[in-house]
Amino acid sequence: SQKIEQNSEALNIQEGKTATLTCNYTNYSPAYLQWYRQDPGRGPVFLLLIRENEKEKRKERLKVTFDTTLKQSLFHITASQPADSATYLCALEYAGNTGKLIFGQGTTLQVKP
Amino acid sequence: DTAVSQTPKYLVTQMGNDKSIKCEQNLGHDTMYWYKQDSKKFLKIMFSYNNKELIINETVPNRFSPKSPDKAHLNLHINSLELGDSAVYFCASSQRRDRGPGGYTFGSGTRLTVV
Repeated sequence: SQKIEQNSEALNIQEGKTATLTCNYTNYSPAYLQWYRQDPGRGPVFLLLIRENEKEKRKERLKVTFDTTLKQSLFHITASQPADSATYLCALEYAGNTGKLIFGQGTTLQVKP
Repeated sequence: DTAVSQTPKYLVTQMGNDKSIKCEQNLGHDTMYWYKQDSKKFLKIMFSYNNKELIINETVPNRFSPKSPDKAHLNLHINSLELGDSAVYFCASSQRRDRGPGGYTFGSGTRLTVV
């Protein structure tokens, strides 16, 4: 079965630096890979989606890369702010139109002022 | 104004009881989902409905029964609650996947505690 690995240890960085979070998966590459943000006591919030034939996607201070050879996605937050502190989840979606997302366990990011 | 709303936000109940969680979305999405987030924070899909039709039914005990009266609503009924059912349950919606990919919109979750 598909396995997704995100760094389970919290990532602590200084404000203004770039945060880089990793999502690795086994077996087959998904058609789409999504990143979500989750704050304590809240539901996940969609951030970015990248297709398997795309190498990189950007949205404001966020950048996602997708390497199907390495079976890895990297999620970058540039010029990080304390308000970026949250848990970030990656999710895989395979072709087939069912909409089923397979989530990683998330990485908690703490940005210190 | 809430896009995906689910009620109640908290539910504390005794083992053996039957309970329901309701979900409504006002985004015009055709597809709705139920996810369970356990204590280790893993989100796992339980069910999905596409315009009232059951699309995904993961390996979930048949004590869990979803019901979709229309495409804007997806409720979850749980019979004979067990301690292991304690978790946070999230409702979500998205556009139909055959119209192209897109992100999910999640509700704020229902924290179920079985005592």
